[in-house]
Amino acid sequence: DAGVTQSPTHLIKTRGQQVTLRCSPKSGHDTVSWYQQALGQGPQFIFQYYEEEERQRGNFPDRFSGHQFPNYSSELNVNALLLGDSALYLCASSLTDTQPRHSYNSPLHFGNGTRLTVT
Amino acid sequence: AQKVTQAQTEISVVEKEDVTLDCVYETRDTTYYLFWYKQPPSGELVFLIRRNSFDEQNEISGRYSWNFQKSTSSFNFTITASQVVDSAVYFCALSEAQGGGATNKLIFGTGTLLAVQP
Repeated sequence: DAGVTQSPTHLIKTRGQQVTLRCSPKSGHDTVSWYQQALGQGPQFIFQYYEEEERQRGNFPDRFSGHQFPNYSSELNVNALLLGDSALYLCASSLTDTQPRHSYNSPLHFGNGTRLTVT
Repeated sequence: AQKVTQAQTEISVVEKEDVTLDCVYETRDTTYYLFWYKQPPSGELVFLIRRNSFDEQNEISGRYSWNFQKSTSSFNFTITASQVVDSAVYFCALSEAQGGGATNKLIFGTGTLLAVQP
């Protein structure tokens, strides 16, 4: 049973460039969330995708955008890269239960992350 | 606003010692969820526990135990008889409730680096 997989593992980009990070959720999961983790800090929530739509968003500028595909995989795009965008980008998946009066969102399962370095 | 504070930046213990990692949280919500995650050097965050705000019972899982006290807004994590494999960064996190369940928007603390020496 494959867990959350992310690609690439490492990436080096130049300021002003654009980058796309990819994530495949754990088998059976339908919701994908993205987090940014700066060195020495805790992860910060970027956004969450469910049913191919952005459902929640953290305090990140519009340069950060995403997409979810019918197979539940997801992409994170960052435009006009800044030095401050250098971080570990973590993808997390979960199963969303939409039954009324019975709420169960499974705990987040994280991937190993993509280490983005902006020079 | 929601906030999680992990005041201990780094803890170093010798194998077989017990160690407690502190977590203090702030929220105005009456219903919320608390989490602990472990992050080994590989980078992957490993889920350890999720508790909702209505369940204040302490929980034990093997060498791990958690103490949830709403009166002090704390959710502390104790590892008994620590082992070298426990060395990692440990994060406490908080999420609001939505539709009765936890959302995927977790607010993380800054983490505690635990080093267990042989």
